[in-house]
Amino acid sequence: QITLKESGPTLVKPTQTLTLTCTFSGFSLSTSGVGVAWIRQPPGKAPEWLVLIYWDDDKRYNPSLKSRLTITKDTSKNQVVLTMTNMDPVDTATYYCAHTGNANIGIYFGYWGQGTLVTVSS
Amino acid sequence: QSALTQPASVSGSPGQSITISCTGTSSDVGGYNYVSWYQQHPGKAPKLIISDVSNRPSGVSNRFSGSKSGNTASLTISGLQAEDEADYYCSSYTSSRIRVFGGGTKVTVL
Repeated sequence: QITLKESGPTLVKPTQTLTLTCTFSGFSLSTSGVGVAWIRQPPGKAPEWLVLIYWDDDKRYNPSLKSRLTITKDTSKNQVVLTMTNMDPVDTATYYCAHTGNANIGIYFGYWGQGTLVTVSS
Repeated sequence: QSALTQPASVSGSPGQSITISCTGTSSDVGGYNYVSWYQQHPGKAPKLIISDVSNRPSGVSNRFSGSKSGNTASLTISGLQAEDEADYYCSSYTSSRIRVFGGGTKVTVL
């Protein structure tokens, strides 16, 4: 059974750096083809794909946010960490992590965490 | 990378069929059979209902079906039920090896 859960601050101030952790179970990020993605969804709006990391440490970034994002993995802890710099009120959203993969695993988001609402406000 | 285009809203009566379109380009929807669809009820995380254009994951009702023609993918919900009232999002793989979502469609059951 695959599960994912996001954790981190619920409130950050403008210009601060956001760090979110995705802790997962039921799969390993050392398995060929497996990936974990971060996706955010502002209130009342569509999801926006942010970044993903594959088992081989290949990383793919949303070009519009690439300069602000960093993604890392800790395979031994079954965790993926997202860092987003220079937070702004427009970054207020629910942040999700999701299981994904390459063509061998499946290029879709088959399992999602419950999401964590991050509010950016002074 | 621009978001995929979906109609803002679609409605139908119980028992009817509705179709939601998802339009992209030859660099995403039209170039790969990696379109997926997600259902989202209020306050919940999105749920995968269609993968790889037309594959239905285990446990998803066979009232949901997907297809693609050119740069446009479609999700059809047949035998519309009250529980189908939700937001629906498409997503595609792109030539840049990244992912993109559609703007979402609100389905209303009349």
